[in-house]
Amino acid sequence: GNSVTQMEGPVTLSEEAFLTINCTYTATGYPSLFWYVQYPGEGLQLLLKATKADDKGSNKGFEATYRKETTSFHLEKGSVQVSDSAVYFCALQYNFNKFYFGSGTKLNVKP
Amino acid sequence: DSGVTQTPKHLITATGQRVTLRCSPRSGDLSVYWYQQSLDQGLQFLIQYYNGEERAKGNILERFSAQQFPDLHSELNLSSLELGDSALYFCASSPRGSGEPTGELFFGEGSRLTVL
Repeated sequence: GNSVTQMEGPVTLSEEAFLTINCTYTATGYPSLFWYVQYPGEGLQLLLKATKADDKGSNKGFEATYRKETTSFHLEKGSVQVSDSAVYFCALQYNFNKFYFGSGTKLNVKP
Repeated sequence: DSGVTQTPKHLITATGQRVTLRCSPRSGDLSVYWYQQSLDQGLQFLIQYYNGEERAKGNILERFSAQQFPDLHSELNLSSLELGDSALYFCASSPRGSGEPTGELFFGEGSRLTVL
C-alpha cells in the first residue's frame, strides 16, 4: 500500500541552524509529493511540492528533492528562524485524489 | 485565509452525544476531504466527497457519517461519542476529485471536539 514515514519530533534548533526533516514513502506508480506546514492554531497549508523524480520543490527558503531511487523527499532549510516553528507534514498524492500524510514533525526554533 | 470555512471552531460535549461539523469548501472546489487529527495518531483520512458523491473512504468509524450537499458544503456527523473521539477535525477542499495529478489540498482551521 501507499504510506509516508517521517522522522519523529520534536526537533529543537537554535535560530540560523540548518534543518533537515526526513521523509520516505512507499507507493506504487509515480506519486506527487508535498510538504505541508501547520502553524499553531491553524490548518495545514502547502509549503512546497514536486511532481516527478528529480524535481526540486522550494518555497520560503525550504527545499525538498523528489528522489525516486531512495523513495525520499527530505525537507531542508539552510537557516531557520523562530517564525519557522510549526508542525511539518510530508504527504503523497496518488491516483489523483488519494492523499497520504505522515505523522508530522514538530519544529521548535529557539532565539 | 485558505477559503475553507469550518464551524464550529470549538465544541464540548458529553459521551454518548451526537454532533455535526460543517465545512464550506473554497468557491468552485468540488472535492471535500475530512481528516481527524489526534495527538497520538497524526492526521487520519476519514472520507472524501466529489460533487455530492462519496469518492473514497478511509479510517472512518461506523458511528461517523458524512455527506456533501448540492451547494457543495459538507457535514460530518459523529454519534455515540466516546472520549477517544476528542480530536481536531479538518476539512480540506481541492479543485478536482480526479484529473490534475499536481493538485493540492486547502485546509480549514479545524473544529476542535472535546468529549467529556
